[in-house]
Amino acid sequence: EIVLTQSPATLSLSPGERATLSCRASQSVSSYLAWYQQKPGQAPRLLIYDASNRATGIPARFSGSGSGTDFTLTISSLEPEDFAVYYCQQRSNWRTFGPGTKVDIK
Amino acid sequence: QVQLQESGPGLVKPSQTLSLTCTVSGGSISSGGYYWSWIRQHPGKGLEWIGYIYYSGSTYYNPSLKSRVTISVDTSKNQFSLKLSSVTAADTAVYYCARTTLYSENWGQGTLVTVSS
Repeated sequence: EIVLTQSPATLSLSPGERATLSCRASQSVSSYLAWYQQKPGQAPRLLIYDASNRATGIPARFSGSGSGTDFTLTISSLEPEDFAVYYCQQRSNWRTFGPGTKVDIK
Repeated sequence: QVQLQESGPGLVKPSQTLSLTCTVSGGSISSGGYYWSWIRQHPGKGLEWIGYIYYSGSTYYNPSLKSRVTISVDTSKNQFSLKLSSVTAADTAVYYCARTTLYSENWGQGTLVTVSS
């Protein structure tokens, strides 16, 4: 099983600041990695697929990068609605999720 | 826009079978090109893929749950279902159904299932 590790566990930032979230895989997943956003009481929402492609309707402030075992989700300037939990997910070998990074208001 | 809605008992006794149904609207399960997934989230925890099914009936299950999971599809009702047998308190979670291609763009709202006597 491919294990995904996310860091940091919590990121405390202010609106307008840049957020950088990391996801590391226990073995290479090529570019087969996605990022989801989840707000309390809601289902996850797909943000980024195959490492760097924005899903339909996702604002340009969200960007993804990386390949192999190291991936990054960047939010260029945090909007109030961006404070949430972010999960990475791989589809290289079965499908597994990371434990999540919570982005909260500083 | 496709919509998914989970339904089923919110309380299941230990050792019994958890049964949930996902009703799809705004699109046909039979149209192909999608897998239909079940994913769960333990309270306050991360996400776990349970398995998925293609409209033809082909299934793929999480190896850690495979011995207890059955996913089926009813194209006439535009529904797919989850059965999880021999449940314990560790199966208490919010269960989501989702439409999946390479990834899952469309999700149901989720339903909390509690395993308790």
